[in-house]
Amino acid sequence: GAVVSQHPSRVICKSGTSVKIECRSLDFQATTMFWYRQFPKQSLMLMATSNEGSKATYEQGVEKDKFLINHASLTLSTLTVTSAHPEDSSFYICSARSRTGGFDQPQHFGDGTRLSIL
Amino acid sequence: GENVEQHPSTLSVQEGDSAVIKCTYSDSASNYFPWYKQELGKGPQLIIDIRSNVGEKKDQRIAVTLNKTAKHFSLHITETQPEDSAVYFCAASFGVGNQFYFGTGTSLTVIP
Repeated sequence: GAVVSQHPSRVICKSGTSVKIECRSLDFQATTMFWYRQFPKQSLMLMATSNEGSKATYEQGVEKDKFLINHASLTLSTLTVTSAHPEDSSFYICSARSRTGGFDQPQHFGDGTRLSIL
Repeated sequence: GENVEQHPSTLSVQEGDSAVIKCTYSDSASNYFPWYKQELGKGPQLIIDIRSNVGEKKDQRIAVTLNKTAKHFSLHITETQPEDSAVYFCAASFGVGNQFYFGTGTSLTVIP
């Protein structure tokens, strides 16, 4: 159980393009989803936290107009990188957690999206 | 905020030997400590976790120990196998469902 599916796994596109990444919880309802960015051989950097039906909370230094997050349902959150530039190239990973019986469950991660902007 | 340090950054062991990865945290309010394994090109996978009311937890070849007083916790892998080779991340949070603060990762190589 606790499977998180992230799509696409890899994107290569031209500078100025907007890219949408989907994160789905396949067998549980995700009350909260997290979006991370990971540079090569580095740790995960939290970008934003989104709760279903409400606006995402962005970490300091993350441009909310650049990285649009939508968490419209309990099983789907999307991250849109608007007008992407080469410096946005990175590995983007989502995670999701649920609440069962009043207790929070651990975060489960998707397999990430490798974004390359030419 | 919370600061999590992880050591070593790289670790090589012979197959069958044990591997130990250590993390320290700064915020005494942190009470949940998961460990994740990340293989190349994949997302992190939860392998074991521990809550602050427990000092040790074991799952087959994997164990985690927690010292709340010293604010450090460790991952122990016994009888290592080549498929254990990956990057391991520790994390700390206040509450299971809240923001994780990740360590910097340990690249483990198990030599056949």
